[in-house]
Formats: sequence, C-alpha cells, structure tokens
Amino acid sequence: AQSVTQPDIHITVSEGASLELRCNYSYGATPYLFWYVQSPGQGLQLLLKYFSGDTLVQGIKGFEAEFKRSQSSFNLRKPSVHWSDAAEYFCAVKGTQYNNNDMRFGAGTRLTVKP
Amino acid sequence: GAVVSQHPSRVICKSGTSVKIECRSLDFQATTMFWYRQFPKQSLMLMATSNEGSKATYEQGVEKDKFLINHASLTLSTLTVTSAHPEDSSFYICSARGSGLVEAFFGQGTRLTVV
Repeated sequence: AQSVTQPDIHITVSEGASLELRCNYSYGATPYLFWYVQSPGQGLQLLLKYFSGDTLVQGIKGFEAEFKRSQSSFNLRKPSVHWSDAAEYFCAVKGTQYNNNDMRFGAGTRLTVKP
Repeated sequence: GAVVSQHPSRVICKSGTSVKIECRSLDFQATTMFWYRQFPKQSLMLMATSNEGSKATYEQGVEKDKFLINHASLTLSTLTVTSAHPEDSSFYICSARGSGLVEAFFGQGTRLTVV
C-alpha cells in the first residue's frame, strides 16, 4: 500500500527566506502526487500536482515542486516566503489506477513565518 | 478549478442529537465523493467513499451506523453523525471527483462541536 512521509512536523523560516518542505512516498510505481495547503479552520487548497512529464512542477502562490523518482521524493519549494504562507502543508499521493479510495495524505508540516 | 461547497462551516450540537453535513459540487458532476475526518494538528483520515447511487464504502474502524453517508445525486453527498457524542467533535472535510478524473476537489470543511 502506498504511504506518504513528511519528516518535518514544524518548520520556522524568516519572511523572505527560501523554503523547502520534504515529502517522500512509498508506492510500487510512480503515483500521482499533490501538495495542498490548509489555513486554520479551512479546507484544503491545491498548490500543485504531478501526473507525468516535466518533473519540475509550478504551482500557485509562487510554489514549485520537483519529482525525483530515484529518491521517491516530491519536495515543495518557494524561493521567498511571505507571512501569508504560514499554514499547514500536506503532501498526498494517489495510485495511477482508477481507484475510489486510494489517496493518502502525509502527516503535514506546519509552517511558521517569522517577521 | 472545480468548486465544492460544504455546509455548514461550523455546527454545535447537543449530545445524543444528530447533525447533517452537506457536500455539493457546484460546477461539475461528482461521481465519487470522499469524507475525511481531521483531528487537531493531525492529517486527514479517510472515513468513507461514496459513489452516486450506491452504498458508501467505509474504512476500517469507521462505524457505518454512526456516520451515515448518502450520495443520492451527482452533486450532493451528505454525512449524518447520529447520536453525537463529544468524542465525535472534529473537523470533517469532503472531496468530490468527476467521472474519469484523477483529481478530487475539497470542500472548506465543517467544524463539529458536540456539547
């Protein structure tokens, strides 16, 4: 069964600094990969997704992620963090076979942005 | 992207009563809807998957008699928490996926508090 690991529970960065959130997955093949952001008391907003093709994916709000098959990773990056980026970030994977209930989420990484 | 509306966003109910949460796909037909539960500072846990016109498929450990799911139309699924208890207090999130599509779209979540 697929699983997702987000090794960092909590990260603090200064505003304007670069950011990298780690995500590793375990799956028999290359799954579909997603990053979501969640503000307190809110639902999930999709930042970006990888299905196939170019391994560097651009998303909304200046985020990007790079799929590295050899490392089974899909790390999220942003060159310059804004205070409004403070939120919880979830990496998720979904099997490539059409299956109703095979989307799995990582435990999440909480981002704090220092002024 | 597609829009999923979840209602209510917050609800407080008394122990022993039932509460219904609605999940609507506003601009697409959702053949599959998913219900998640999220405890504070934790990830999303899939509770059940529902296909339009069929009985929901519940994840292991989720009481189907307590969490009643109905997906009677292609744009609406409901989750009813029956005989609610304080331990049912949580954040509930739905997502919806159209036929043949990979990506599911999330509602904004419902904060349930049972007093």
